[in-house]
Amino acid sequence: QSALTQPPSASGSPGQSVTISCTGTSSDVGGYNYVSWYQQHPGKAPKLMIYDVSKRPSGVPDRFSGSKSGNTASLTVSGVQAEDEADYYCSSYAGNNIVVFGGGTKLTVL
Amino acid sequence: QVQLQESGPGLVKPSETLSLTCTVSGGSINSYYWSWIRQPPGKGLEWIGYIYYSGSTNYNPSLKSRVTISVDTSKDQFSLKLSSVTAADTAVYYCARDPYGVGPNPWGQGTLVTVSS
Repeated sequence: QSALTQPPSASGSPGQSVTISCTGTSSDVGGYNYVSWYQQHPGKAPKLMIYDVSKRPSGVPDRFSGSKSGNTASLTVSGVQAEDEADYYCSSYAGNNIVVFGGGTKLTVL
Repeated sequence: QVQLQESGPGLVKPSETLSLTCTVSGGSINSYYWSWIRQPPGKGLEWIGYIYYSGSTNYNPSLKSRVTISVDTSKDQFSLKLSSVTAADTAVYYCARDPYGVGPNPWGQGTLVTVSS
């Protein structure tokens, strides 16, 4: 299976909303409601921000939200803050007990 | 809460076998899926595979011929072996729990493995 497609970069000024896309196929993103989003700061392990497309783990700020339409999932940061500057990765279940990741998006807070 | 810690050699010679162990603490390994993921320097994440606590395994098709994941429930550990390594296998290797086999969480801190002679 191929990696999911994410834009290499995204940016926004503090307080703005930023959306990052994650495009797959009907065999992964479009076929299951098992999309997760991870935040990774430099030198750190990834941290789960969204799971099952739109669910937020305890402790994750509610400015982070997820959605899906067809084969594309999206992560939206509403009111982006300086500490949100990081790399973001999506993942999806791809059937047959396989998980696939996206290539990652670097979010820059201007 | 469950915590995971990777351990193993930080340097492996080309053509040899990379071996890492993940120790689980703060929870039992006797449930869930247990994953390995890697990240080459400056690049994205790649799912390697996972093992169910009972021992059944699933691997990334692109690595399947070289990967073995095993579990030792008596020690709350699971392990990764990657054979015939090359410089392209240089990466930070993460272990993680995957509660339902659909997305890993939480993750260990990661360990850098360099393949070089």
